[in-house]
Amino acid sequence: DAKTTQPPSMDCAEGRAANLPCNHSTISGNEYVYWYRQIHSQGPQYIIHGLKNNETNEMASLIITEDRKSSTLILPHATLRDTAVYYCIVDRMDSSYKLIFGSGTRLLVRP
Amino acid sequence: GAGVSQSPRYKVAKRGQDVALRCDPISGHVSLFWYQQALGQGPEFLTYFQNEAQLDKSGLPSDRFFAERPEGSVSTLKIQRTQQEDSAVYLCASSLNRQPHPFFGPGTRLTVL
Repeated sequence: DAKTTQPPSMDCAEGRAANLPCNHSTISGNEYVYWYRQIHSQGPQYIIHGLKNNETNEMASLIITEDRKSSTLILPHATLRDTAVYYCIVDRMDSSYKLIFGSGTRLLVRP
Repeated sequence: GAGVSQSPRYKVAKRGQDVALRCDPISGHVSLFWYQQALGQGPEFLTYFQNEAQLDKSGLPSDRFFAERPEGSVSTLKIQRTQQEDSAVYLCASSLNRQPHPFFGPGTRLTVL
């Protein structure tokens, strides 16, 4: 069973920030938070991961609450190409081969 | 650069036929994974190889499913006597040993009539 809870769908306007929430209240101390996205007819694409500190890369920012029970993926300036299903996953880094995806959040970026 | 490739991209089979799906991982990647994705669902783990060794096949749904990676590079997922419930996208992924996140291929969409 998935260890995360995400809203089934969200939308945002092009050019605005998209903030995608994820609840992982049963996360263990050695588990990381991973985010993937899947654009239509493509395989999942890794976005970012973190343990407890906030992380940023060229694609997105990841904000993890201090108690690590939830996190938010931020796409700072969403484009139409960011329309996709976004998956939040928690897993130990040494066992990431068996990712449990859940149903994800379908993000629609509106023109 | 070359990513994970899968062939065919689309496969239509009649119920009862055998199918073989191919995965070419990124060169040098030790780990290889197969996932199954039903329509509207997230991917579900099927099996995992490290080089030619199949270390975990706990996700294979029945003994009609068989995966191999004989030389530690290309992998084939074989489904015998296909059933309608086997219709799904089959995703392959690969990674360097102990890399935290695998790279996924585009998938093969299998439709069983």
